[in-house]
Amino acid sequence: AQSVTQLGSHVSVSEGALVLLRCNYSSSVPPYLFWYVQYPNQGLQLLLKYTTGATLVKGINGFEAEFKKSETSFHLTKPSAHMSDAAEYFCAVSDQGGGFKTIFGAGTRLFVKA
Amino acid sequence: DARVTQTPRHKVTEMGQEVTMRCQPILGHNTVFWYRQTMMQGLELLAYFRNRAPLDDSGMPKDRFSAEMPDATLATLKIQPSEPRDSAVYFCASGLAGGPDTDTQYFGPGTRLTVL
Repeated sequence: AQSVTQLGSHVSVSEGALVLLRCNYSSSVPPYLFWYVQYPNQGLQLLLKYTTGATLVKGINGFEAEFKKSETSFHLTKPSAHMSDAAEYFCAVSDQGGGFKTIFGAGTRLFVKA
Repeated sequence: DARVTQTPRHKVTEMGQEVTMRCQPILGHNTVFWYRQTMMQGLELLAYFRNRAPLDDSGMPKDRFSAEMPDATLATLKIQPSEPRDSAVYFCASGLAGGPDTDTQYFGPGTRLTVL
């Protein structure tokens, strides 16, 4: 069975500091892995996803994530936080060939201090 | 650009009333999802459809909730009768299974429901 754990429901960083949002997953088959972002009063939108191939995935707004199979992790990073990055971030997993059944993590709210 | 649309964006109703929420998926997408988001429970999958047929509605309270796709351009979620605990933001999402973009979901802006 799939599951997703996001470590830390809230993360606070200063503007210009490194952003690190942690995600661990479990899946019995090769996974697809996703990060979605939700800004206030909006729906979720895709930041980046891993399907196969290169394990370092680059997304929009300067974010990237690395798939580490041995650690069952897919942590999201950004070298330098911007005020506009303040939002809620969701990690998600689906099984390759599983027909779209996706499990979302509980979300991590990112605060960016001036 | 192509987007998922949802109507209404906001709905305030009284307990016991019927509520219908509508979603227009992105043209050409064959998979449609309904989610509910609350502070306490987070994002919950209620149901999803493939080619208009329900694939999984195990997350939906069957006694009061129903979801349908009358055609490929419209998905509906009904609550009858509504209760205060149904107050939440309801999201529709769509995607195209099987292609290079498979398993990516495109979310609508949500319907914020308040049941008094």
